[in-house]
Amino acid sequence: GQQLNQSPQSMFIQEGEDVSMNCTSSSIFNTWLWYKQEPGEGPVLLIALYKAGELTSNGRLTAQFGITRKDSFLNISASIPSDVGIYFCAGQLWDTGTASKLTFGTGTRLQVTL
Amino acid sequence: DAGVTQSPTHLIKTRGQQVTLRCSPISGHKSVSWYQQVLGQGPQFIFQYYEKEERGRGNFPDRFSARQFPNYSSELNVNALLLGDSALYLCASSLDRGRETQYFGPGTRLLVL
Repeated sequence: GQQLNQSPQSMFIQEGEDVSMNCTSSSIFNTWLWYKQEPGEGPVLLIALYKAGELTSNGRLTAQFGITRKDSFLNISASIPSDVGIYFCAGQLWDTGTASKLTFGTGTRLQVTL
Repeated sequence: DAGVTQSPTHLIKTRGQQVTLRCSPISGHKSVSWYQQVLGQGPQFIFQYYEKEERGRGNFPDRFSARQFPNYSSELNVNALLLGDSALYLCASSLDRGRETQYFGPGTRLLVL
């Protein structure tokens, strides 16, 4: 099935560093979401973006909905050890009368060293 | 309030068998979606149910089926299991089927031997 292109695939960073990851698609979405998944758990929603160009923050996390509606990025500032996990972007396309499915990216695995 | 719950947490089956996975949505949520996550990949959409009717289906064979009950809980059934069906099966609930945010359960890990 279709998966969005997410980069980088993995990152090894030191505690306190900033992190940036992005997601691109060949299709337009009307909502972009960022989830974090830890081992043995389901994805947990971090940020939801509903309008092209929208920039939204959630604590140390900031995400933007690309102006073309085909991309999004996520930044994490001053990383801490509990930021470790796999980060997924997801595009959502919904319309009246149709299913509202999420199309996920390939994931970015984040490792934080002390 | 409780989040999305799924059962069982883990399951081991052999090829050719059938399996039923269960999901209870967040209280008040009327839509349930099912996703398959193969190791090392992002989740893939299987089904969405809203008000007990199938509203959408992903690119999965007819061996996969689901239903939603009057209390909005849902079951996913997979017949004639293949080795490639080994995956984490995730259930997500949302208020309705539109732009509402989908919240995921912890998943059921299925291993087919």
